[in-house]
Amino acid sequence: QVQLVQSGAEVKKPGAAVKVSCKASGYTFSTYGISWVRQAPGQGPEWMGWISAYNGNTNYAQKLQGRLTMTTDTSTSTAYMELRSLRSDDTAVYYCARNSFLRPMDVWGKGTTVTVSS
Amino acid sequence: EIVMTQSPATLSVSPGERATLSCRASQSVSSNLAWYQQKPGQAPRLLIYDASTRATGIPARFSGSGSGTEFTLTISSLQSEDFAVYYCQQYNNWPVTFGQGTKVEIK
Repeated sequence: QVQLVQSGAEVKKPGAAVKVSCKASGYTFSTYGISWVRQAPGQGPEWMGWISAYNGNTNYAQKLQGRLTMTTDTSTSTAYMELRSLRSDDTAVYYCARNSFLRPMDVWGKGTTVTVSS
Repeated sequence: EIVMTQSPATLSVSPGERATLSCRASQSVSSNLAWYQQKPGQAPRLLIYDASTRATGIPARFSGSGSGTEFTLTISSLQSEDFAVYYCQQYNNWPVTFGQGTKVEIK
């Protein structure tokens, strides 16, 4: 079955970086993209960006430009999201989701909790 | 950025009753709108896309309608497993944006 398996929870200090992985299975990885969405406690989802697994093209939320990098490794069908210069308001559950360019997100990972605390 | 506004914030409904949730876009998104259901501790689940198409495996009691700036999600007869938070999302333009959600709770 189609699934996205994310890496485990992280605790980081302010100013550090975090890298979350999302391993895809059950479909041809390069035929879709991956979106990253985060959700702070008690808040709605916030779209962070999208990467094409076909050619690596990206589209990032403007507020995260400069701190965010999304990559893919087609040899392992894995997508990565790296967020740098972490702040306390980056504390959230981070999800990866499968979707094509400007299409709905039809398969989601279970989420990775990232806690930023001194 | 397109702002998505959902109403009401909370909807109290008895099991078996009909629930109607609204979503408004700050500018036209054509039919490029999805609805997601989220239960506590779980990832969002795609229910409806292209404003009115049910995703794979979604029961027929869920229906979506609308286009342009006004959209509706209807749950025809609420089951116990339907009590959750529902989000709309536009994917007509970057950045894609979500509404703040409607919590459907047991009356």
